[in-house]
Amino acid sequence: DAGVIQSPRHEVTEMGQEVTLRCKPISGHDYLFWYRQTMMRGLELLIYFNNNVPIDDSGMPEDRFSAKMPNASFSTLKIQPSEPRDSAVYFCASSPTNNRGPREAFFGQGTRLTVV
Amino acid sequence: AQSVTQLGSHVSVSEGALVLLRCNYSSSVPPYLFWYVQYPNQGLQLLLKYTTGATLVKGINGFEAEFKKSETSFHLTKPSAHMSDAAEYFCAVTFSGSARQLTFGSGTQLTVLP
Repeated sequence: DAGVIQSPRHEVTEMGQEVTLRCKPISGHDYLFWYRQTMMRGLELLIYFNNNVPIDDSGMPEDRFSAKMPNASFSTLKIQPSEPRDSAVYFCASSPTNNRGPREAFFGQGTRLTVV
Repeated sequence: AQSVTQLGSHVSVSEGALVLLRCNYSSSVPPYLFWYVQYPNQGLQLLLKYTTGATLVKGINGFEAEFKKSETSFHLTKPSAHMSDAAEYFCAVTFSGSARQLTFGSGTQLTVLP
C-alpha cells in the first residue's frame, strides 16, 4: 500500500485566496483525521471522519475552515479566505477499525502551507 | 479529559549513549499510549504502542517504552543512540472509550552529538 497520500506537498498562496488540501487515506481505513502542526501549538486535531461522516469538528479554528469526505478514498480541507496565521503543516491520517481497541493512526507526509 | 506531558522540549545525547525521553499522561480510564517519530519534512511514523498486556513494549529501531501505571508514565528509551535517531518524538494517548482521536504531547527534539 502507498500509505496516506497528501497533495500538494507545498503550497504558497496570497492572503485572501482559497486553499484546498487533499488526502487519500489507506484503502480499508474507515477513520480519517486532519491535524495541523505549528511551532506555537504543536499538533492539533482539526476534524475527523468515520465512514465518510464528520464526527467531531470542534478543532476547526473558525468558519473559514471546512472539510469534506465525499467518498472513502478522498478528503479535502479547504480554507477560504486564507490568512497568514493559517501557515502551518497540515497532516492527514487514517486508521482502521479494530474492535479490540484503538489502533494507531497512519500519517501522510503533510502539506506545508505558507500564506503571504 | 486526557492529556500528555513531555518533559524536555530538547534533549541532546552523545552517539552511543542512552536515550531517555519522558512522557507522562493523564487519563481517568486505562490509556492506550503511543510513541511517534517525525524526521524533518516527513509525517509521523509509529515507533511503538501500548494497549494491554505486557507493560514493556519494544518498537522499531531499538526503541522501547515501559508503561508504569503507578507513575502515569510511558518513557521512551534506547540503550545506544545513533546519529540517525535525531528527530522529533511525540508521545500520544487515547483510551478505549474514545472515538479514536489521539492527543499528542508537545514533542521532544532529540539531537545526537558525534
